Amino acid sequence: GAVVSQHPSRVICKSGTSVKIECRSLDFQATTMFWYRQFPKQSLMLMATSNEGSKATYEQGVEKDKFLINHASLTLSTLTVTSAHPEDSSFYICSARAERFSGEQYFGPGTRLTVT
Amino acid sequence: GQQLNQSPQSMFIQEGEDVSMNCTSSSIFNTWLWYKQDPGEGPVLLIALYKAGELTSNGRLTAQFGITRKDSFLNISASIPSDVGIYFCAGREGGSEKLVFGKGTKLTVNP
Repeated sequence: GAVVSQHPSRVICKSGTSVKIECRSLDFQATTMFWYRQFPKQSLMLMATSNEGSKATYEQGVEKDKFLINHASLTLSTLTVTSAHPEDSSFYICSARAERFSGEQYFGPGTRLTVT
Repeated sequence: GQQLNQSPQSMFIQEGEDVSMNCTSSSIFNTWLWYKQDPGEGPVLLIALYKAGELTSNGRLTAQFGITRKDSFLNISASIPSDVGIYFCAGREGGSEKLVFGKGTKLTVNP
């Protein structure tokens, strides 16, 4: 139970292009999903909290116009990195609160983004 | 952003040994969580703690919620090679949905 998937698992894109990452809760509905970024050998840093049907709440220092989040259904949230630059290269991980299970955050497998 | 103080940063142990790691915070937390992350994967929830003094086990793993609500520890008994990975503590303050993560403890188990 409490399975979260992400797609794609890896993506390479050219500088200036946009990339969309999908996060799905497979066996539960999630009114709240979270997006994190993790640089090599570092901890997870919360980027934004995504609530179904409303605008995402971004953490301080995270550009909302660059990292577009859409949580259109109870099982899907998307993160779009717009006009990507090499410094956006990172491991992006989503999580979803599984009220049906423990109510805690369950994480997806992550998406490795490389911007060339 | 806010982070927890997690120690040690890394541990190198022999298979069969017990392991202990801990997290401290300057803030009071209502929830403490322990996750394990394998390379290139997302964190997996190991144990969740909700009450000060609570001691919870999951197989060979045992975690405790500190009495002061500002710390937690995780013990792994009789370590095996598949215990290798990075262990993160995470805390949640009352009234918040957000988790604050420690910097992780990298565990290496020599067979």
